[in-house]
Amino acid sequence: DVKVTQSSRYLVKRTGEKVFLECVQDMDHENMFWYRQDPGLGLRLIYFSYDVKMKEKGDIPEGYSVSREKKERFSLILESASTNQTSMYLCASRVTGRGETQYFGPGTRLLVL
Amino acid sequence: AQSVTQLDSQVPVFEEAPVELRCNYSSSVSVYLFWYVQYPNQGLQLLLKYLSGSTLVKGINGFEAEFNKSQTSFHLRKPSVHISDTAEYFCAVTLRGNYGGATNKLIFGTGTLLAVQP
Repeated sequence: DVKVTQSSRYLVKRTGEKVFLECVQDMDHENMFWYRQDPGLGLRLIYFSYDVKMKEKGDIPEGYSVSREKKERFSLILESASTNQTSMYLCASRVTGRGETQYFGPGTRLLVL
Repeated sequence: AQSVTQLDSQVPVFEEAPVELRCNYSSSVSVYLFWYVQYPNQGLQLLLKYLSGSTLVKGINGFEAEFNKSQTSFHLRKPSVHISDTAEYFCAVTLRGNYGGATNKLIFGTGTLLAVQP
């Protein structure tokens, strides 16, 4: 069975803290994605990784960075958290190919105070 | 650039009634189309997708969608809804064909909350 897990369901951090969100998939997928979800805005792509150590910026990369050292793990890093980064963060993975299904993790709800 | 419009932010409906959730897209090239569902406090799950072939696509949980190229629409329908269908539904599009880089992504609509009432 397909599985994408995210390290935390809920996180509370303070402004200026460095925050790590971890995502792990067990399907040997090449492509992995980080989205943020906000009411009325749908899902917006932050970063995309098409293979190990390969990454591309999405639509809203400012204030974020990513790391993909191993195929199964894709990390999202908030270098200095700000209140406008309070959001739901969703990770997804898929095999290479635009018609392929993206499989999503359960999400991490981050609150920055 | 592609875009997806889901005009209805909320659709209230009574149990066992039919429902249609609307999705229109904009693209200058051919696309693949997807519907995802998000149940409360969960990630997204694929309902169905259109890649090619028959324009009527059947998905899980009794949902179906019809691709209409001339109207650039991909509306989602179910003939009889259940309380358990209460969730947020997202339409998404991606380019079809061999394009590289940042075009290799899904564009999501803003979502439609389906609220099924007893």
